[in-house]
Amino acid sequence: SQQGEEDPQALSIQEGENATMNCSYKTSINNLQWYRQNSGRGLVHLILIRSNEREKHSGRLRVTLDTSKKSSSLLITASRAADTASYFCATLDTGRRALTFGSGTRLQVQP
Amino acid sequence: DSGVTQTPKHLITATGQRVTLRCSPRSGDLSVYWYQQSLDQGLQFLIQYYNGEERAKGNILERFSAQQFPDLHSELNLSSLELGDSALYFCASSVAGGPPTDTQYFGPGTRLTVL
Repeated sequence: SQQGEEDPQALSIQEGENATMNCSYKTSINNLQWYRQNSGRGLVHLILIRSNEREKHSGRLRVTLDTSKKSSSLLITASRAADTASYFCATLDTGRRALTFGSGTRLQVQP
Repeated sequence: DSGVTQTPKHLITATGQRVTLRCSPRSGDLSVYWYQQSLDQGLQFLIQYYNGEERAKGNILERFSAQQFPDLHSELNLSSLELGDSALYFCASSVAGGPPTDTQYFGPGTRLTVL
């Protein structure tokens, strides 16, 4: 079963704009991770944020985590056409070993 | 390239048949995970092996089984295939398979089509 719900389901922006995706989850977690998937291909790990962290940066990516609201957001700044992909949040739930994935956000960046 | 390899890339077979999917983890990773991605169920965890032993089980059907060999590669066996088993099957690996900072790296997947 999927824990995370991602919002929006689909997002279309122009190159250079920022893209923000949100993820909500239901249970207590050890960490939350964001992955990117290009159409029908493998998942690429983007960033991991631990439950005791509130914000993390990696290049043009900024992730926030609010455990009180059970939510996370992924911000991609200065988007590029190559950022076009589906983005998934995944939680490592407390007491579990495998990831629980959200339903994903399809991002389309128009050149 | 994540360093995780999966074969074959594509598999087309008929209902009732049995197939084997293979995964080689990244060098040094002891843990292997199998996931299924389908349009209706999304990405779902099937099973995890750590250093040759089963460690966690998810939504894996009884018709499916897996193992991890001494060289740490893993195989996922799917039998009595049904149309609904058509999906992308991903393998992921991690160093240890449990700590909060243990990142899972995904292979390119095997696309299974059951006709």
